[in-house]
Amino acid sequence: ILNVEQSPQSLHVQEGDSTNFTCSFPSSNFYALHWYRWETAKSPEALFVMTLNGDEKKKGRISATLNTKEGYSYLYIKGSQPEDSATYLCALPDRGSTLGRLYFGRGTQLTVWP
Amino acid sequence: NAGVTQTPKFQVLKTGQSMTLQCAQDMNHEYMSWYRQDPGMGLRLIHYSVGAGITDQGEVPNGYNVSRSTTEDFPLRLLSAAPSQTSVYFCASSSQLRMYFGPGTRLTVT
Repeated sequence: ILNVEQSPQSLHVQEGDSTNFTCSFPSSNFYALHWYRWETAKSPEALFVMTLNGDEKKKGRISATLNTKEGYSYLYIKGSQPEDSATYLCALPDRGSTLGRLYFGRGTQLTVWP
Repeated sequence: NAGVTQTPKFQVLKTGQSMTLQCAQDMNHEYMSWYRQDPGMGLRLIHYSVGAGITDQGEVPNGYNVSRSTTEDFPLRLLSAAPSQTSVYFCASSSQLRMYFGPGTRLTVT
């Protein structure tokens, strides 16, 4: 079982604030890291898949960075909006592929107040 | 293209009853999996399959059976439901780089 840690567990910010949270993982045998966005009463949706150390991905106001040597990834949201309120999950596979058996962290629950 | 579908959306069972949660995908993905989501626990892998005829256990397989007779379908069977199986169940199928989740089944065992 792969130990995937996310912090903080929850975050409350004001509309317009920028925010970031962390996913930590064992740095040995790294293959890939996935970020998902999960809105209440919906299914998780893929944001990014990252495979290379130093990788940086961006989708609108959301971006992510990856440091495989030290075992962490940051997710940033610039100028948070109420519609960004969701739980953000990171996940890693434990096998020799970019997917494999995907192990999820417990997520960071973001609430953006108008 | 419906993606990943799950039925039923809601189900209430009595302790000891059995049932099958259905999952189907139309994306021709080889990899499919079942997760359960419990408060404070995130998503935990129950069983997964890397192709028709091949299944394997995840983190929390006890009390569940799966089979994969076709690429499209991956049903999850509860053999004798217990209150500890009250949860939201998500089926997912995967391309190499992305996992697609179904809408979930909310199961309550009384």
